[in-house]
Amino acid sequence: AQSVAQPEDQVNVAEGNPLTVKCTYSVSGNPYLFWYVQYPNRGLQFLLKYITGDNLVKGSYGFEAEFNKSQTSFHLKKPSALVSDSALYFCAVSSSSNDYKLSFGAGTTVTVRA
Amino acid sequence: SQTIHQWPATLVQPVGSPLSLECTVEGTSNPNLYWYRQAAGRGLQLLFYSVGIGQISSEVPQNLSASRPQDRQFILSSKKLLLSDSGFYLCAGNRDRRVYGYTFGSGTRLTVV
Repeated sequence: AQSVAQPEDQVNVAEGNPLTVKCTYSVSGNPYLFWYVQYPNRGLQFLLKYITGDNLVKGSYGFEAEFNKSQTSFHLKKPSALVSDSALYFCAVSSSSNDYKLSFGAGTTVTVRA
Repeated sequence: SQTIHQWPATLVQPVGSPLSLECTVEGTSNPNLYWYRQAAGRGLQLLFYSVGIGQISSEVPQNLSASRPQDRQFILSSKKLLLSDSGFYLCAGNRDRRVYGYTFGSGTRLTVV
């Protein structure tokens, strides 16, 4: 079985400060890792993915994530947070052993204060 | 690129009434399609997925059913809604399961009263 853990329900940062949203995963075989963002009453928007290759992945809106195989982590980062980054963030994993279905974490609410 | 269309955006239905939510896909053929439910604005629960016309897999036992009458159409239904069916329903699809992850529709907020 595959699973994702997002250990923080909420992350609060000041605008201009770095933002980190944590994610760890468990999967059989090679993981495919994703980050999505959700604004209130909206669908999920894709931010970035790791499939293979460079462990540092750059995505939309200045976000990046680092794949760490030994720590089974895929933390989302942004060097300088904006108030508009306030939203609900989901980490997700898929693998060939689960027919590439996505398993989502419980989500982390990010609040960026002005 | 792939686009997922969902409607309606909001729905208020009485307990015991039927339900039909529709999801259509634009921009790709033969996608895998998924129905998720999100309760209380948090975690996503996979309800059904489909790898082709007429092929439905159910992830959890429940009061709901799904159908895929056409390649790009995925329908979520219920004969009699329960209060516990309230939630935010999301349809998702993917072109290449391995690489692209999912594209999500904008969701339907269902309130059963």
